[in-house]
Amino acid sequence: EVQLEQAGTEVKKAGESLRISCKGSGYTFTSYWIAWMRQMPGKGLEWMGRIHPSDSYTVFSPSFEGHATFSVDKSINTVYLQWSSLKASDTAMYFCARWEAAATFEYWGQGTLVTVSS
Amino acid sequence: QSALTQPASVSGSPGQSITISCTGTSIGTFNLVSWYQQHPAKAPKLMIFDVSERPSGVSNRFSGSKSGNTASLTISGLQAEDEADYYCSSYAGSRVPLFGGGTKLTVL
Repeated sequence: EVQLEQAGTEVKKAGESLRISCKGSGYTFTSYWIAWMRQMPGKGLEWMGRIHPSDSYTVFSPSFEGHATFSVDKSINTVYLQWSSLKASDTAMYFCARWEAAATFEYWGQGTLVTVSS
Repeated sequence: QSALTQPASVSGSPGQSITISCTGTSIGTFNLVSWYQQHPAKAPKLMIFDVSERPSGVSNRFSGSKSGNTASLTISGLQAEDEADYYCSSYAGSRVPLFGGGTKLTVL
């Protein structure tokens, strides 16, 4: 069974750094891109970008490039979304999802809620 | 502001059919539209991909179609459990997907 596992909640202050994780299981981890989506409180889904676990090749949405980064640890089937200096506007739910093709994301993590206080 | 436009809300009574529209130029260019269902505080669930294909396990009450720049999700035999937010997504070229703003479905 394909699963993407994410931790539940992170509470941080503006200016702090953060790394959240997405661990894949039940499939060949290095064969599929992993995408990250943001959902701000009460708002819709936004595609942030994606990373290929085999070589860490990354594609970013222009809206998110420069503020967050993606990384991979193939040894533990985990991808990361990280910020070096959080802003209050980063408060959101962050989902990882396996990218099948085009606009298709069949498997999703349960999401990590990030709360950043100013 | 999303490049895919959905109505903010739709509603229907149990047993009825409803249709949610999604309009954008990328839809007219590619036959690559997906629909996602999201219940409160849950992860989205893929309901339709490639305009009209259903993943394994998704009820055949859910169907998708496209005409020109508008894609549609139809839910027939509406049930209380269908009450959720629905998002369309379309391939926009350069392997970048777009999401619509979401539609809240209320089952009366």
